Amino acid sequence: EVQLVESGGGLVQPGGSLRLSCAASGFTFSSYWMSWVRQAPGKGLEWVANIKQDGSEKYYVDSVKGRFTISRDNAKNSLYLQMNSLRAEDTAVYYCARCWYPDYWGQGTLVTVSS
Amino acid sequence: DIVMTQTPLSLSVTPGQPASISCKSSQSLLHSDGKTYLYWYLQKPGQPPQLLIYEVSNRFSGVPDRFSGSGSGTDFTLKISRVEAEDVGVYYCMQSIQLPYTFGQGTKLEIK
Repeated sequence: EVQLVESGGGLVQPGGSLRLSCAASGFTFSSYWMSWVRQAPGKGLEWVANIKQDGSEKYYVDSVKGRFTISRDNAKNSLYLQMNSLRAEDTAVYYCARCWYPDYWGQGTLVTVSS
Repeated sequence: DIVMTQTPLSLSVTPGQPASISCKSSQSLLHSDGKTYLYWYLQKPGQPPQLLIYEVSNRFSGVPDRFSGSGSGTDFTLKISRVEAEDVGVYYCMQSIQLPYTFGQGTKLEIK
């Protein structure tokens, strides 16, 4: 059974940083692109970033370029999202998802950016 | 960016009746490899999204056959042949032919 478990969310002040983690199990992690998708409270879905199997390609939505960094550790079956210079508009539930088009999703972790 | 436009934004359906959701993209989703990169997701209340349909018309693992997808180019449709109570939630279409991947606004399905 595919499982994706996010962690690392919380309350952070504007301008602060946070690192999200996603622990994957139930599939060969190193064989799949991985993605982050977010959902602001009461809003729709927004694709944030994805990363190739070996980490050699990474893509981001414009609004997070230069502030967020996606990475992975295939030895630990883990996906990460380093978020710097956080803004109020980054407040959202962040979902880890398998594949470049998300097929399996985690339960999400809430990030709240507020003073 | 490719804009994905869904209609309607909400619909109320009697159990056992059909339902249909339209998704239109601002650019063709047909890739030179012959595939069309259009997906449908359902987000049930309080849950993460789940994949229903990939590449226009392929049902994902475990998805009931009352769900079907169709369309080509820029016009796509998700149909539910007979709505059940468990189908409530918000339906999203998504394109992955061009970065950034983009979603439609969502269509909220309620049961009458």
